[in-house]
Amino acid sequence: GAVVSQHPSRVICKSGTSVKIECRSLDFQATTMFWYRQFPKKSLMLMATSNEGSKATYEQGVEKDKFLINHASLTLSTLTVTSAHPEDSSFYICSASDGRDTGELFFGEGSRLTVL
Amino acid sequence: GQNIDQPTEMTATEGAIVQINCTYQTSGFNGLFWYQQHAGEAPTFLSYNVLDGLEEKGRFSSFLSRSKGYSYLLLKELQMKDSASYLCAVRDSNYQLIWGAGTKLIIKP
Repeated sequence: GAVVSQHPSRVICKSGTSVKIECRSLDFQATTMFWYRQFPKKSLMLMATSNEGSKATYEQGVEKDKFLINHASLTLSTLTVTSAHPEDSSFYICSASDGRDTGELFFGEGSRLTVL
Repeated sequence: GQNIDQPTEMTATEGAIVQINCTYQTSGFNGLFWYQQHAGEAPTFLSYNVLDGLEEKGRFSSFLSRSKGYSYLLLKELQMKDSASYLCAVRDSNYQLIWGAGTKLIIKP
């Protein structure tokens, strides 16, 4: 099946710094990628839909200036958590569809962000 | 509003069969997905149902009844590695995925 790679898998940063997370589709072109956030023992919360070559569509309640999303190519989307605070600590996961009718999503490995 | 309900936690015995139910109320329906998620890892795709009936794939089967807004995931011959969370997700009329909170399945020897 299609492969999505996410990097870094774990990152620890100081409060006030910015962190960039990359999501790459390795063997297919993804015009759309999705960014999720997941709290412990909770379900996936869609943060934004990233469209190649255009602005991301953010879900209600998600600060677009806080969580910057760039989808510069058909195989790469990035999420930058700006001026991170401890409450931003979470598991961030990206996913993409390879365009088949099933709409199956392929997920990256996830990135565990800890803000000190 | 849109809602996906599934049990929070279930326990089963190795070698047995377990059924995880999912009920949904969404704005339209364009398919139902089941994903498996091990702790600390990303979800992996298990099944997709868009028509009523049973889809079988090895030890796992998924059933859908659109009129009842109901699906279940059936796991047979349970193995310890099946201990994970199982997420039910429905794609609505806008092709948005609505996620359930997941069912944590605990397998005991």
